[in-house]
Amino acid sequence: NAGVTQTPKFQVLKTGQSMTLQCAQDMNHNSMYWYRQDPGMGLRLIYYSASEGTTDKGEVPNGYNVSRLNKREFSLRLESAAPSQTSVYFCASRTGGPYEQYFGPGTRLTVT
Amino acid sequence: AQSVTQLDSHVSVSEGTPVLLRCNYSSSYSPSLFWYVQHPNKGLQLLLKYTSAATLVKGINGFEAEFKKSETSFHLTKPSAHMSDAAEYFCVVSDQDYKLSFGAGTTVTVRA
Repeated sequence: NAGVTQTPKFQVLKTGQSMTLQCAQDMNHNSMYWYRQDPGMGLRLIYYSASEGTTDKGEVPNGYNVSRLNKREFSLRLESAAPSQTSVYFCASRTGGPYEQYFGPGTRLTVT
Repeated sequence: AQSVTQLDSHVSVSEGTPVLLRCNYSSSYSPSLFWYVQHPNKGLQLLLKYTSAATLVKGINGFEAEFKKSETSFHLTKPSAHMSDAAEYFCVVSDQDYKLSFGAGTTVTVRA
């Protein structure tokens, strides 16, 4: 049982390049989330998927797209990376109800 | 709308002394509240959660928190700090759609 896994762990992009961050969970959770973490700002929600087949914008969705590929996988795409997207990205998942989210180990992205 | 304020950005304690991390929240309904811990370059781990049951919540590693509705607070405490407690701590509130709002974080330093 690996929990929530994310790939890659580290990535360096040039401005304007695109990339997809991958996330998978093996806990049969319905909901999945993408966050970014910047110093002094906690984690901010980018997009989430309450269930397979649905996605919704969070607090900071501009410049990102997501795909809920199936119940296990939820990817985050940067179409044209900008230096402002330099951050640490976390994926999380949750089963139904008022329960906690489980977080992956994060992807550290630098855009130059 | 909901929000979380962590009243201290940094707390420094001596090993063996008590730790107090302060958190105030605002929510338009009965919230679920969580404390997460993040060790350097790691993902987030759940310490404890409040979901409208007992107001004094015990978590892992000797931490506990008390939900006080009248004060809109959810402070985290530990009677005796250990060197391994050095980390960043996040107070988190969940809205009725179970999206999380994070505080800015409190960095804990433990002095030998």
